[in-house]
Amino acid sequence: KNQVEQSPQSLIILEGKNCTLQCNYTVSPFSNLRWYKQDTGRGPVSLTIMTFSENTKSNGRYTATLDADTKQSSLHITASQLSDSASYICVVSARDTGTASKLTFGTGTRLQVTL
Amino acid sequence: KAGVTQTPRYLIKTRGQQVTLSCSPISGHRSVSWYQQTPGQGLQFLFEYFSETQRNKGNFPGRFSGRQFSNSRSEMNVSTLELGDSALYLCASSLGASSAEAFFGQGTRLTVV
Repeated sequence: KNQVEQSPQSLIILEGKNCTLQCNYTVSPFSNLRWYKQDTGRGPVSLTIMTFSENTKSNGRYTATLDADTKQSSLHITASQLSDSASYICVVSARDTGTASKLTFGTGTRLQVTL
Repeated sequence: KAGVTQTPRYLIKTRGQQVTLSCSPISGHRSVSWYQQTPGQGLQFLFEYFSETQRNKGNFPGRFSGRQFSNSRSEMNVSTLELGDSALYLCASSLGASSAEAFFGQGTRLTVV
C-alpha cells in the first residue's frame, strides 16, 4: 500500500530560525514528489516538484531534497518568517497506466512561527 | 490567468440532505480531481475526471459522485449527508499528465448539522 509519512506532526519555531520537515514514502512506481504549503482555510499551493533524478530544488527560502534510494525527502526553511506559519504537505505521485497518476498525500506538518 | 474557482466557499446542511459543489478549473486544464480534507485524516482522494470521464476513484461510498462537463467544469454531489461528511472539499485542476502540477482551489467548507 502506498503511504507517505511526515514528521514532525507540528513544530513551533522562533522567527528567523531555520527548520527542516521530513517526508518518508513507500510509493511505487515513483513518478514525482511535491511539497505544498497550505494556509489555514485555503487550498494548498505548490512549493517544489522533484522527479527521480533530482536531488535538490530551491524556491526562495524553501529548499527541498530527495533521496530516491532511501525514499526520503526534506523541506528546509531558511530564516523563517511569520508568514511561513502553515501546514506543509508532502505529496508523492505514482506512475499509473496511461497518463493517469495516483497521488498519495502525507497528513502534513503544522508549522507555527512565533516572535 | 484565473485560478481554480470553487463555489460556494461555505455551506451548512442538515443530515439527510444532499449537496452539490462546483469547480471551475484553470483554462486549458482537462483534469479535475476532488479531495476531502479533515483535521484527523488529511487530504483524501475522492475521484478524478479527465475529458468528461472518471479516470480514478478513491475509497468513498457511493453517496459521493461527480461529473465533468465539456468545458471541463466539474461538480461533486454528496447525497444523504452524514455528520462525518463535514470537511473542506478541495478541487484541483491540471493538464492531466502524471507529471503535471495540480493547482488547488480555495475549497468549499461543508458543515453538516
